Amino acid sequence: AQRVTQPEKLLSVFKGAPVELKCNYSYSGSPELFWYVQYSRQRLQLLLRHISRESIKGFTADLNKGETSFHLKKPFAQEEDSAMYYCALSVGNQGGKLIFGQGTELSVKP
Amino acid sequence: NAGVTQTPKFRILKIGQSMTLQCTQDMNHNYMYWYRQDPGMGLKLIYYSVGAGITDKGEVPNGYNVSRSTTEDFPLRLELAAPSQTSVYFCASRLQVSYNEQFFGPGTRLTVL
Repeated sequence: AQRVTQPEKLLSVFKGAPVELKCNYSYSGSPELFWYVQYSRQRLQLLLRHISRESIKGFTADLNKGETSFHLKKPFAQEEDSAMYYCALSVGNQGGKLIFGQGTELSVKP
Repeated sequence: NAGVTQTPKFRILKIGQSMTLQCTQDMNHNYMYWYRQDPGMGLKLIYYSVGAGITDKGEVPNGYNVSRSTTEDFPLRLELAAPSQTSVYFCASRLQVSYNEQFFGPGTRLTVL
């Protein structure tokens, strides 16, 4: 079965602390994985995709096929990082639909 | 470019009423999607379309219908609203390219009483 799991509903950290948002997936094929973010009163938008192997706003995510994980990390959290974060798996043979995790709310306190 | 637009932003329906949620994109994307998001849950796919005239069911299609007569528009129809359809509905679009991102609309918050 195709599934994405984000075990934490809420993650609260202080400014400057490291952040790791966990994501595990279940998929028999070659995964296309994404992190989407929704800031308050804004629409859902792409943060990063595993194929790019880039850092966006200081965030990185590495695909670990052995552990079927795609955790999102940032070494020093900022208050403006507070948002809902969704891990998503793209299923290529069904119109590229996205299977979303439940989301993790990140709260960065001053 | 306006991107993906959705109307209305909010709507309250009575049980058994019908309505259409509108979705338009001006990016000439061939793929379009409708998702619903229930409280505390991730988004779930209702229907999707890979081009004008072509639609297919997603994970939760019951109680909904769609059509795709043009590249730009992908309306979602609720025929007999039920309380279980209370949710936030998101429309999205993307180009048919691997690893390409989906662009989302702002969402429609629907309450069925």
